[in-house]
Amino acid sequence: GAGVSQSPSNKVTEKGKDVELRCDPISGHTALYWYRQSLGQGLEFLIYFQGNSAPDKSGLPSDRFSAERTGGSVSTLTIQRTQQEDSAVYLCASRPLAGGFYNEQFFGPGTRLTVL
Amino acid sequence: KQEVTQIPAALSVPEGENLVLNCSFTDSAIYNLQWFRQDPGKGLTSLLLIQSSQREQTSGRLNASLDKSSGRSTLYIAASQPGDSATYLCAVLYSGGGADGLTFGKGTHLIIQP
Repeated sequence: GAGVSQSPSNKVTEKGKDVELRCDPISGHTALYWYRQSLGQGLEFLIYFQGNSAPDKSGLPSDRFSAERTGGSVSTLTIQRTQQEDSAVYLCASRPLAGGFYNEQFFGPGTRLTVL
Repeated sequence: KQEVTQIPAALSVPEGENLVLNCSFTDSAIYNLQWFRQDPGKGLTSLLLIQSSQREQTSGRLNASLDKSSGRSTLYIAASQPGDSATYLCAVLYSGGGADGLTFGKGTHLIIQP
């Protein structure tokens, strides 16, 4: 079946603009994760959804970052008033309900965000 | 703060050699540990998942071990090939609370010389 998909694959924006990144998880996967990979910080966890609910938003880097998930499927990560330090690859992953946290996370190809 | 450390940061070996990549983590309270491969400019490819109750997993020429008590995992690559050249990432899902996502190491950049 289809894997995790993300769009756009690349996004170039100007400092101060808002951007929306989209993630389509594997069908039926109830858990969804957002991560960020930047040169200086490596790969870091941002937020996790179980269904439409995010129990802990403390991993988001600042209040300019927000995420939502609707219908237990698609998720969007929104960055307001983008800054150059937001430039990174944003990765999404999903996990099936069966096995809970013990199960594997499946990653999408990522969205490369460049803020000029 | 829970951390994951990978040693070495970079490794270059001739084709055909067997090699070991190391990963250490700070807390034994984990759900699982995953090894990933990342090619330049690409996403993550999952190689092996070891659940906390398991000691090792094997897939083809790859073997990963887990020792929770010492906070260590190794990825063994047998008969290395130039196509194995990539960055290998170790990631741990801690169960002790504080974070719901994987904690990643900074990776080992592997080059297999033809």
